[in-house]
Amino acid sequence: GAVVSQHPSWVICKSGTSVKIECRSLDFQATTMFWYRQFPKQSLMLMATSNEGSKATYEQGVEKDKFLINHASLTLSTLTVTSAHPEDSSFYICSATHRDGYTFGSGTRLTVV
Amino acid sequence: AQKVTQAQTEISVVEKEDVTLDCVYETRDTTYYLFWYKQPPSGELVFLIRRNSFDEQNEISGRYSWNFQKSTSSFNFTITASQVVDSAVYFCALSRMDSSYKLIFGSGTRLLVRP
Repeated sequence: GAVVSQHPSWVICKSGTSVKIECRSLDFQATTMFWYRQFPKQSLMLMATSNEGSKATYEQGVEKDKFLINHASLTLSTLTVTSAHPEDSSFYICSATHRDGYTFGSGTRLTVV
Repeated sequence: AQKVTQAQTEISVVEKEDVTLDCVYETRDTTYYLFWYKQPPSGELVFLIRRNSFDEQNEISGRYSWNFQKSTSSFNFTITASQVVDSAVYFCALSRMDSSYKLIFGSGTRLLVRP
């Protein structure tokens, strides 16, 4: 139980375009989801906390207008990287909470060329 | 403020050796959870254990064991008879006992198990 599906697993996009990443809880309702970013050989950095039906709470230094988060249902949260640039290339991973803890998606490797 | 410190950046051992990964945490909360996750090269985070602050009993699961000591704010992880498949990055993490609260991760320890 408590499976989180994240798509796509990897994506390559051109500079200036937008990319949407989906995070779905398959067998439970996720009131709260988290979005992390991870650079090579570094730890996970929390970008934002997403609560169903309300605006996301962004961590300090994370651009809200660049990283759009939508959590319109109890099973789906999306992260849209707008006007992507090469420095946005990274590994993005989502997480959803449930009574037994946190379950993570498999991550999305974004490469902006 | 909450903080997790994993002082060991990289550890290299030969297969069958035992290895301990250290984790020290800081929190002002009286109740909290501690976690260990494994991140293999593929990138996904694999849940290993969750411990609550009430329970200081050591835990053993196969070759894995965890030592939680509140007195030293440590939650160390030992792999006995390491195997090549144990090679990965291991993260220690801390959270409040509130499902809407974020996980605070340590910087991770990269473990390389050589044949």
